[in-house]
Amino acid sequence: LAKTTQPISMDSYEGQEVNITCSHNNIATNDYITWYQQFPSQGPRFIIQGYKTKVTNEVASLFIPADRKSSTLSLPRVSLSDTAVYYCLVGDGDNFNKFYFGSGTKLNVKP
Amino acid sequence: KAGVTQTPRYLIKTRGQQVTLSCSPISGHRSVSWYQQTPGQGLQFLFEYFSETQRNKGNFPGRFSGRQFSNSRSEMNVSTLELGDSALYLCASSTSEWNYGYTFGSGTRLTVV
Repeated sequence: LAKTTQPISMDSYEGQEVNITCSHNNIATNDYITWYQQFPSQGPRFIIQGYKTKVTNEVASLFIPADRKSSTLSLPRVSLSDTAVYYCLVGDGDNFNKFYFGSGTKLNVKP
Repeated sequence: KAGVTQTPRYLIKTRGQQVTLSCSPISGHRSVSWYQQTPGQGLQFLFEYFSETQRNKGNFPGRFSGRQFSNSRSEMNVSTLELGDSALYLCASSTSEWNYGYTFGSGTRLTVV
């Protein structure tokens, strides 16, 4: 079964860049890596998705090394409103449509 | 454009009862997945439906079941409720079977007493 590993929590200050890494050793060849953000009592919200190398959108960047066994979500210049739990999502290497969320990383942004 | 709608938003049930939760995906989305979220276990995959077919199922007992209708709306049912079934149940939809950019609903908070 695909497993992902993320740091349980991270602290940052407003205006800093935050990098959250996810390990996913059993990623399948055609699986994409997706990151979500979740606030309390809300469903996760899509942040960014990628397959390899680097992807950037208006809110984040995603770095994926050549072996694809890990990925790093980069949040530039975080603000207090970025305090949330961040999950990486990859497919199950054995079952394409059986998705596993990582344990999530609780990001605390301080003023 | 309406998002993923889950009803009801909150629900309180007694042990032994059964419950049905509803999910209306974004218009045009044919894939619907269900997740259970608890403080102890985090987000756990329940099942995924595409075009009325269950394509995959997580590691939950048979008390948890679901279905998808021709209009892509989905329901999940939990029978013989246990206290441990108390959780936030989340539904997510996407446009195609290989699209991992799911849009989640706000969830149904189920409390079993």
